[in-house]
Amino acid sequence: DVKVTQSSRYLVKRTGEKVFLECVQDMDHENMFWYRQDPGLGLRLIYFSYDVKMKEKGDIPEGYSVSREKKERFSLILESASTNQTSMYLCASSLKQYNQPQHFGDGTRLSIL
Amino acid sequence: AQKITQTQPGMFVQEKEAVTLDCTYDTSDPSYGLFWYKQPSSGEMIFLIYQGSYDQQNATEGRYSLNFQKARKSANLVISASQLGDSAMYFCAMREGYTGGGNKLTFGTGTQLKVEL
Repeated sequence: DVKVTQSSRYLVKRTGEKVFLECVQDMDHENMFWYRQDPGLGLRLIYFSYDVKMKEKGDIPEGYSVSREKKERFSLILESASTNQTSMYLCASSLKQYNQPQHFGDGTRLSIL
Repeated sequence: AQKITQTQPGMFVQEKEAVTLDCTYDTSDPSYGLFWYKQPSSGEMIFLIYQGSYDQQNATEGRYSLNFQKARKSANLVISASQLGDSAMYFCAMREGYTGGGNKLTFGTGTQLKVEL
């Protein structure tokens, strides 16, 4: 079974802090994704990566950056956290074939105070 | 315009009955794929079923089937013989085209399904 592991289930940080959310997958997937999920808005794509050191902006990249130094690890960085970044963050990975589903981690519920 | 529209924010169904969750999509790309995911209250996203735009037959996976009507741009999920464990949020998502990298998805806002005794 594919395993996508997010480093924290719950996280509380203060405004202005630099926040790192880590995601590791164990199935040698080429693609990795970061989403945020808010009630009534579904999942919105922040950034994705289709190869090591490659990254592409999603629909809502403002205020975020990412890093993919190794194939199995994809990090989401909030450079200076703000209260409107309080949300559920979901990481996913997939094989590169177009018909392959994304596999998700359990999510990190991030609160910015 | 919304690329994926799920018009039912919440639905109820009785145990053992069938239920249809609606999904309409908007794309001008002839090559696309449609995915359905289930999210129980515990939060994990579970992949259910996939339909490609060129697939000749409607996709089926156990109790899940996809009623794919290409001309109407709809891809409704049908759950047969509902069980209490089917109570969850259900998301429809679309991949447009094939760029060779990324295969990003656009998600709808979801439908909350509650199965009752």
